[in-house]
Amino acid sequence: DQQVKQNSPSLSVQEGRISILNCDYTNSMFDYFLWYKKYPAEGPTFLISISSIKDKNEDGRFTVFLNKSAKHLSLHIVPSQPGDSAVYFCAASGNQFYFGTGTSLTVIP
Amino acid sequence: KAGVTQTPRYLIKTRGQQVTLSCSPISGHRSVSWYQQTPGQGLQFLFEYFSETQRNKGNFPGRFSGRQFSNSRSEMNVSTLELGDSALYLCASKGPITSDADTQYFGPGTRLTVL
Repeated sequence: DQQVKQNSPSLSVQEGRISILNCDYTNSMFDYFLWYKKYPAEGPTFLISISSIKDKNEDGRFTVFLNKSAKHLSLHIVPSQPGDSAVYFCAASGNQFYFGTGTSLTVIP
Repeated sequence: KAGVTQTPRYLIKTRGQQVTLSCSPISGHRSVSWYQQTPGQGLQFLFEYFSETQRNKGNFPGRFSGRQFSNSRSEMNVSTLELGDSALYLCASKGPITSDADTQYFGPGTRLTVL
């Protein structure tokens, strides 16, 4: 029972353009959402988070949007850089953390 | 301050053996969670420990167990290893009541290969 879903396994974007990664969840009780970035052979690195009382949180080139009515969140990266190429996981916090299956982002120079 | 550390980083075992993985959380963090990552499956939650007590458990068989010590260090044990247990095992710690209390920080993981 996958409570957090990332339906796009991969995404390719030109350097300098916007990357939009999407995530859907099923449990309306989730109150905190996070994005992690993962390089091969390393653990996930925390990127940005958002509380359910907000609809947007921005940190430099990264912005997370939360649409509670649609149970959808997205991560925008502007401008995208080659170093952003990695797997991105979204996560939701309830009684435990629930992770999506990840989206592999490739930023083409 | 130092991040989450996990030992060993790589491990090769054969079917039927058992294995113990270790995790040291960020100093001051009392919550430690364990995850299994396999290709296409994302991060599957194993269990969470807080103050030496298991607070939450995922849907894994009883062959997977863990414990936490008084210094918050945690160990995870897998008995009677199966080929399907080959995965990256990740440990994450979470802090006390601060602005980032709901954020987990991950270690580099232990890559377990079962032959």
